[in-house]
Amino acid sequence: AQRVTQPEKLLSVFKGAPVELKCNYSYSGSPELFWYVQYSRQRLQLLLRHISRESIKGFTADLNKGETSFHLKKPFAQEEDSAMYYCALSLNNAGNMLTFGGGTRLMVKP
Amino acid sequence: DTGVSQNPRHKITKRGQNVTFRCDPISEHNRLYWYRQTLGQGPEFLTYFQNEAQLEKSRLLSDRFSAERPKGSFSTLEIQRTEQGDSAMYLCASSQAGRGEAFFGQGTRLTVV
Repeated sequence: AQRVTQPEKLLSVFKGAPVELKCNYSYSGSPELFWYVQYSRQRLQLLLRHISRESIKGFTADLNKGETSFHLKKPFAQEEDSAMYYCALSLNNAGNMLTFGGGTRLMVKP
Repeated sequence: DTGVSQNPRHKITKRGQNVTFRCDPISEHNRLYWYRQTLGQGPEFLTYFQNEAQLEKSRLLSDRFSAERPKGSFSTLEIQRTEQGDSAMYLCASSQAGRGEAFFGQGTRLTVV
């Protein structure tokens, strides 16, 4: 069965510092990987997906199939990046149901 | 707001009572998903519909849970004989078939006392 692991429940950094939120997955096939973000009092929303290979709000994520990882990175954190971040995978032949990790709370201190 | 809409936003019920939640997806989306999220955890998949057909159900969805999407538009999730362990945030999401991006509602927070 597929599984997504986010080893850090909380990540605290200072404004301007680099950020890396870790995500590892287990699945023998070729999943589609996503990062979802939930800002305070807002709904869960898509941040980026690996097939798009784009940078959103300065965040990037590279799928490393060898290490089965999809870490989220940003070179310079901003206070408005403070939020809950969830890594998720979708099985392309399974109706796009998402398997989520447990989430990492990012706190960016001024 | 043209996004996914869920009602009610909050529900407090006594153990043993039945509750029903409603989800209105984005109008052109033919796929609708239900997830459950407990405190400190990520969302867990419960079930999904393509149009009116319920195509997948998680083992998390016990016999007390039933979901419907009668006309392929809005969906309801009913929990019968609620238990304290049912207390959670119930999230609804919708997407277009063939695309992985799911749009989430704000959720219904259920508290069973």
